[in-house]
Amino acid sequence: GNSVTQMEGPVTLSEEAFLTINCTYTATGYPSLFWYVQYPGEGLQLLLKATKADDKGSNKGFEATYRKETTSFHLEKGSVQVSDSAVYFCALSGASRLTFGEGTQLTVNP
Amino acid sequence: SQTIHQWPATLVQPVGSPLSLECTVEGTSNPNLYWYRQAAGRGLQLLFYSVGIGQISSEVPQNLSASRPQDRQFILSSKKLLLSDSGFYLCAWSSRTRGANVLTFGAGSRLTVL
Repeated sequence: GNSVTQMEGPVTLSEEAFLTINCTYTATGYPSLFWYVQYPGEGLQLLLKATKADDKGSNKGFEATYRKETTSFHLEKGSVQVSDSAVYFCALSGASRLTFGEGTQLTVNP
Repeated sequence: SQTIHQWPATLVQPVGSPLSLECTVEGTSNPNLYWYRQAAGRGLQLLFYSVGIGQISSEVPQNLSASRPQDRQFILSSKKLLLSDSGFYLCAWSSRTRGANVLTFGAGSRLTVL
């Protein structure tokens, strides 16, 4: 079946540091890949997505590239801000549903 | 534009009491609907999904149930809550016309069972 493995958290960074959150997946076929973000006390919001190999999703300074050869979709941001503190979820599409990773808690300190 | 509403936002219930969480979607028709649970410090677990009225698929056998009495209404229920039912419950929808891939989530309902 489909599965998503995310880098374990929590991750703590200083403002303006470089961020990488690793995500690898196992799936049949050619799923779409997603990153969702959950701010404290809220539901999840779609951050970015990629629908085929070598696609790069980007939004709010975050980027992730769909790497079929390494089955990965790592999330990166060049300079994080305090407002980026949240839980980040990697996900892949399957039949009528998404499979989520465990989530990675990011805290950015000023 | 489409919106999704969940209520109540917060709920504290004793063990053995019933539960009803409601979710409605506006601005779209015939959506796919989902209930997820997020236990403290853990990821998201898909509980139920529905592709149409009266069509419910259960992902995890437990004492919860779901119903879809109307096209844009999805209800999560329990007859007798357990301590382990505590968590953050998230409703979500996706459009079938744009593919089942992109989920839009509600703000969540935090349930504490004492």
